[in-house]
Amino acid sequence: AQRVTQPEKLLSVFKGAPVELKCNYSYSGSPELFWYVQYSRQRLQLLLRHISRESIKGFTADLNKGETSFHLKKPFAQEEDSAMYYCALGAGGTSYGKLTFGQGTILTVHP
Amino acid sequence: GAVVSQHPSWVICKSGTSVKIECRSLDFQATTMFWYRQFPKQSLMLMATSNEGSKATYEQGVEKDKFLINHASLTLSTLTVTSAHPEDSSFYICSARRRGHVGEQFFGPGTRLTVL
Repeated sequence: AQRVTQPEKLLSVFKGAPVELKCNYSYSGSPELFWYVQYSRQRLQLLLRHISRESIKGFTADLNKGETSFHLKKPFAQEEDSAMYYCALGAGGTSYGKLTFGQGTILTVHP
Repeated sequence: GAVVSQHPSWVICKSGTSVKIECRSLDFQATTMFWYRQFPKQSLMLMATSNEGSKATYEQGVEKDKFLINHASLTLSTLTVTSAHPEDSSFYICSARRRGHVGEQFFGPGTRLTVL
């Protein structure tokens, strides 16, 4: 069975400070990992996926298979980054296409 | 591109009535649609996976007869909450996977259901 753990429910930082949102996963196959973001009163939207290895809005995330982690990082947080962030694991096999979400982390960036 | 809509955005109904929620992919063909339930300040819980033209696959613990899902076309899936009760009150979110694109899901804005 697959599982995604986001240990921090709440995370507060000041503007300009580095931020790291933690995500650990459990999956026996080859994982496909995503970070989704939900801004206040908006729908869930994809922030980035490990396959593309791109930086979106200054955020990056590296898949570490040894530590089974996919932490989200940004060197200088901005107030507009305040949102709910979900780490998600895409399954394969008979569960192909399904996403398993972590509990989410509410990030608050203070001015 | 890749916009998913849901209708209605919110609904209030009396206990015992049935409520239908529509999920549409507006500008793409969705081979698969997913239905989630989200409780306040909690994560999304997958309820079922819906493939066009076939029966939905429900997650463990989700009552098939309670939550009827129909995926009639490549752009429309519906969730009907039958004989709704107050404990069914929740935020229901659908997502769609685009034909030819693996992994990523595009989410609808959600439907707030309140059962009195």
